Amino acid sequence: QSALTQPPSASGSLGQSVTISCTGTSSDVGGYKYVSWYQQHPGKAPKFILFEVTKRPTGVPDRFSGSKSGNTAYLTVSGLQAEDEADYYCSSYADTNNFVFGTGTKVTVL
Amino acid sequence: QVQLVESGGGVVQPGKSLRLSCAASGFRFSSDGMHWVRQAPGKGLEWVAVIWYDGSKKYYGDSVKGRFTISRDNAKNTLDLQMNSLRVEDTAVYYCVRGRGYGEYIDWGQGTLVTVSS
Repeated sequence: QSALTQPPSASGSLGQSVTISCTGTSSDVGGYKYVSWYQQHPGKAPKFILFEVTKRPTGVPDRFSGSKSGNTAYLTVSGLQAEDEADYYCSSYADTNNFVFGTGTKVTVL
Repeated sequence: QVQLVESGGGVVQPGKSLRLSCAASGFRFSSDGMHWVRQAPGKGLEWVAVIWYDGSKKYYGDSVKGRFTISRDNAKNTLDLQMNSLRVEDTAVYYCVRGRGYGEYIDWGQGTLVTVSS
């Protein structure tokens, strides 16, 4: 199972928005609603921030939103704050009980 | 609150074995699937294995299939990962992760570092 493709880096100014893509295939992202997103600060464990493409776990700010079109999912972080600077990973369920992560995107807040 | 505490990491030679453990607390362990996810130094996340809430089903990533075995003891609230025939490329931080649904990793441990080196 190949990793989902994310851009290595993305950036946005304080208060602005940034959108990260996550591209897979019809066997993973395109075939299921089970896309989730994770935020990881340096030296820390990842944090669960979105599930089933668009849903936010309790406590996650509504600045984080998700969408999907075909084989590509998107994470948008609006109203960028300094603490949003982190690595972001997508994940998807895949055919026959496989699970796959994206390659990761480093978000820089300018 | 949910706590997942991994142990068992260390330095091991290629071809040898190592067993990781995870002690879970703060939730009904016997009701949730559990995963192991790893992260090589400076690299991205990689799913390793999952075990169903009752231990009835287990699935593995291609890179560890046939070498790693995931298991759980619901009476002791523990999750294990037996790693055999270790390779240099297995070097990573291994995270114990509480799962939900189809690939939702809702709670993470702090990770334990496994280094495979001669």
